[in-house]
Amino acid sequence: GAVVSQHPSRVICKSGTSVKIECRSLDFQATTMFWYRQFPKQSLMLMATSNEGSKATYEQGVEKDKFLINHASLTLSTLTVTSAHPEDSSFYICSARARYGTGGSVQGETQYFGPGTRLLVL
Amino acid sequence: DQQVKQNSPSLSVQEGRISILNCDYTNSMFDYFLWYKKYPAEGPTFLISISSIKDKNEDGRFTVFLNKSAKHLSLHIVPSQPGDSAVYFCAASRTVGTYKYIFGTGTRLKVLA
Repeated sequence: GAVVSQHPSRVICKSGTSVKIECRSLDFQATTMFWYRQFPKQSLMLMATSNEGSKATYEQGVEKDKFLINHASLTLSTLTVTSAHPEDSSFYICSARARYGTGGSVQGETQYFGPGTRLLVL
Repeated sequence: DQQVKQNSPSLSVQEGRISILNCDYTNSMFDYFLWYKKYPAEGPTFLISISSIKDKNEDGRFTVFLNKSAKHLSLHIVPSQPGDSAVYFCAASRTVGTYKYIFGTGTRLKVLA
């Protein structure tokens, strides 16, 4: 299946600093990537939709100035948590939208997820 | 407002038996549904999907059933294996617009050896 990587896998930072998380689609081009956040024992909550070459679309309640998203190329999207605070500590996961199938036929479309980034703000 | 619900937070099944995970949705505009498997501290892994034009889709041990009138879908795993133990999320989407997925709250499956 398609591979999506995230870097870093884990980051610890001091309150007030900014943290950048990278999401890369390794073997396919993704015009659309998504950023999610997951709190312990809860569902994945969509934060924003990242479109290559245009501004990200943020979900209701997500501060766009707090969570800066840049989709600079068809294989890279970045999420920057600005002026991080302890309440921003969470598991951040990106995904890339792609079609899938075998033998050259398209069977459907899905999102392939990265392994996630654990952010801890002290 | 939780548009996609998984009412069973956990499920235990004996190895070799069938696992049935359920998911309900409220938005009749959803027309594409997916199941993902997730291990702790990892990203979700895509399992299987179904379009609203179908009522069943099968892939190996995994079968997804869709009942549009009841706004209900289920994932059947047979036979269940210990390696299937994970958290399973269903997701729903519309195939127009942004294709964003709305995830359920997850069901933790434990397959007992």
